[in-house]
Amino acid sequence: AQSVTQPDIHITVSEGASLELRCNYSYGATPYLFWYVQSPGQGLQLLLKYFSGDTLVQGIKGFEAEFKRSQSSFNLRKPSVHWSDAAEYFCASGGGSTLGRLYFGRGTQLTVWP
Amino acid sequence: SQTIHQWPATLVQPVGSPLSLECTVEGTSNPNLYWYRQAAGRGLQLLFYSVGIGQISSEVPQNLSASRPQDRQFILSSKKLLLSDSGFYLCAWWGLGEAFFGQGTRLTVV
Repeated sequence: AQSVTQPDIHITVSEGASLELRCNYSYGATPYLFWYVQSPGQGLQLLLKYFSGDTLVQGIKGFEAEFKRSQSSFNLRKPSVHWSDAAEYFCASGGGSTLGRLYFGRGTQLTVWP
Repeated sequence: SQTIHQWPATLVQPVGSPLSLECTVEGTSNPNLYWYRQAAGRGLQLLFYSVGIGQISSEVPQNLSASRPQDRQFILSSKKLLLSDSGFYLCAWWGLGEAFFGQGTRLTVV
């Protein structure tokens, strides 16, 4: 079975600082990997995804993520955080027999200090 | 373009009352549809998914049920709500290599 772990429940950074959100997955094969962002009371918006190929993936809003098979990780990064990036971030994996069935981590709440 | 509609946005229901949440998708046909629940401080848990009309798969045993009466309609129901059913419910469809989510329904059972 697949699972996703986001070890950090809450992260606080200052505006302009760099950001890295951690994500580890458990799956026998190479999974599809996603990062979603959720603003309060809203649905989820896709930031970026990895299916295959280049292990460094660029997404929207200046985010990027790197797939590292040896570490079973897919960490999300941003070089300079903006106050509007404050939200909850979810890592998810998929790739099993049911297309679109995703396994989510519990999320990381990001707070940005001015 | 494809859009997903989910309603109502918020709902307060007494314990023991019935529930019906509706989700519809536009701009696509025969989508894979999903119901997720997000409890406070927790991630998203998949409740049900459907790959076609009348086809429902349940991920976890619970007080809820799902139905897919039409190709682009997915309904989440309960006959008698429990306090533990409170949470944020999200409908999603899979297409173009990603999952698209509705805006969610905040359900509070009192």
